[in-house]
Amino acid sequence: DIQMTQSPSSLSASVGDRVTITCQASQDIYKFLNWYQQKPGKAPKLLIYDASTLQTGVPSRFSGSGSGTDFTFTISSLQPEDIATYYCQQFDNLPYTFGQGTKLEL
Amino acid sequence: EVQLVESGGGLVKPGESLRLSCAASGFTFSNYTINWVRQPPGKGLQWVSSISPRSDFMYYADSVKGRFTISRDNAKNSLYLQMNTLRAEDTAVYYCARDRGSADFDSWGQGTLVTVSS
Repeated sequence: DIQMTQSPSSLSASVGDRVTITCQASQDIYKFLNWYQQKPGKAPKLLIYDASTLQTGVPSRFSGSGSGTDFTFTISSLQPEDIATYYCQQFDNLPYTFGQGTKLEL
Repeated sequence: EVQLVESGGGLVKPGESLRLSCAASGFTFSNYTINWVRQPPGKGLQWVSSISPRSDFMYYADSVKGRFTISRDNAKNSLYLQMNTLRAEDTAVYYCARDRGSADFDSWGQGTLVTVSS
């Protein structure tokens, strides 16, 4: 199975900060990576697919980059409603695997 | 509006069985691969199983292979997960999630909680 390692596991930031989360795959997954946001008690929400494509309706302050084994997720200016846990997910190979999550706090 | 609504969760004892359902609406269900993804309490997301639009292909995580069976009824716009020989480690919220075409899960249900405990 492909292992996805996210860092950091948790992150404290302030409104307006630029926030960056990294995700490393245990092998080359090309650009087969998605990012999700999950708020407490809610289902995950797709934010970015194919490593860098913004899902329809998602604010442009969210972005993703990377390919191969190293990927980055960025919030350019943190808003209060962005407080959530973020997960990366690879879909290069079954089983699809997720990172362990990054909990973002104010 | 795309909607997925899970049901069937509950408290069961180890070794028992449970059948989850996911009712879909707001899109052409028979055109999409649908997945089950679970989340143990306080933990991360785990992909469980996937079924192709016409049930030609079903895939499972190793942890559930041989115990869980995914199925669908396109006439009823419904997805199912038959879970047998349940274990404590199967305790989780189970979500159904629509696969837009390349394992990007663009719509999710609200989840149903399965608790396996004696």
